[in-house]
Amino acid sequence: AQKVTQAQTEISVVEKEDVTLDCVYETRDTTYYLFWYKQPPSGELVFLIRRNSFDEQNEISGRYSWNFQKSTSSFNFTITASQVVDSAVYFCALSVTGTASKLTFGTGTRLQVTL
Amino acid sequence: GAGVSQSPSNKVTEKGKDVELRCDPISGHTALYWYRQSLGQGLEFLIYFQGNSAPDKSGLPSDRFSAERTGGSVSTLTIQRTQQEDSAVYLCASSLGLDYYEQYFGPGTRLTVT
Repeated sequence: AQKVTQAQTEISVVEKEDVTLDCVYETRDTTYYLFWYKQPPSGELVFLIRRNSFDEQNEISGRYSWNFQKSTSSFNFTITASQVVDSAVYFCALSVTGTASKLTFGTGTRLQVTL
Repeated sequence: GAGVSQSPSNKVTEKGKDVELRCDPISGHTALYWYRQSLGQGLEFLIYFQGNSAPDKSGLPSDRFSAERTGGSVSTLTIQRTQQEDSAVYLCASSLGLDYYEQYFGPGTRLTVT
C-alpha cells in the first residue's frame, strides 16, 4: 500500500521568508510519480509539478523549487521569498504502477503568509 | 481553454434522498477520476474511468455510490439514500491518459446532507 505523509499541518511565515514543505512517501514500487498540488481558498486543486522515480534532479520554477531524494523517500517543496498569494493548502501525492494513476494524497500543509 | 467543470457547485439534501453530481472533463482527456475531500478522511480516491469503462470500483465507500460515464466525456456520480457521513466536497479530475499524466481538477461539488 502507498502512503504519503505531510507532517506539517500548518505553517505561518511573514512575506519574503523562505519556507519548505515536507513530504515523505512510502511505496514498494520502483516506478512511481510524485506530485504537488496547491489548493487556494477558492478550493480548486492546481497542479504544480510531477516527477518520476527515475529522475532525482531538483527542479526550479520561478520561486518554487523541489528536492527529490529517494534515499530518504522525500519530495520537499520550497517557496523562496514567499508572498501572500502563496497562502493555500499544499498537497503532496503519489501514483504507482498498476493503479491507473490514481493519486494517494497526503493530508496537506496549510501555509499562511502574512504581511 | 475550458477546464474541468462540475455541477452543482453546492448541494444540500435531506438524509435518505438521492443525489447526482456531474463532471465535464477537459475536451480530449480520456481518463476521468472522482475523489472525495472531507475533514475526517482528507482526499480519497473513489473511482476512475478510461473511456466509458470503470475497471476498478473498489474505492467507492459503499454500494450506495455509483458512477457512469457516457460518450467518453461527461460523468455522473450518484449517491443513493444519502447519509450525513456523505457530506464532503466531491472532486472530479481528468487527464490525457492513465499513464501518470497530471490530473486537472474541477472546482468540486460541496455536498451537505442534513
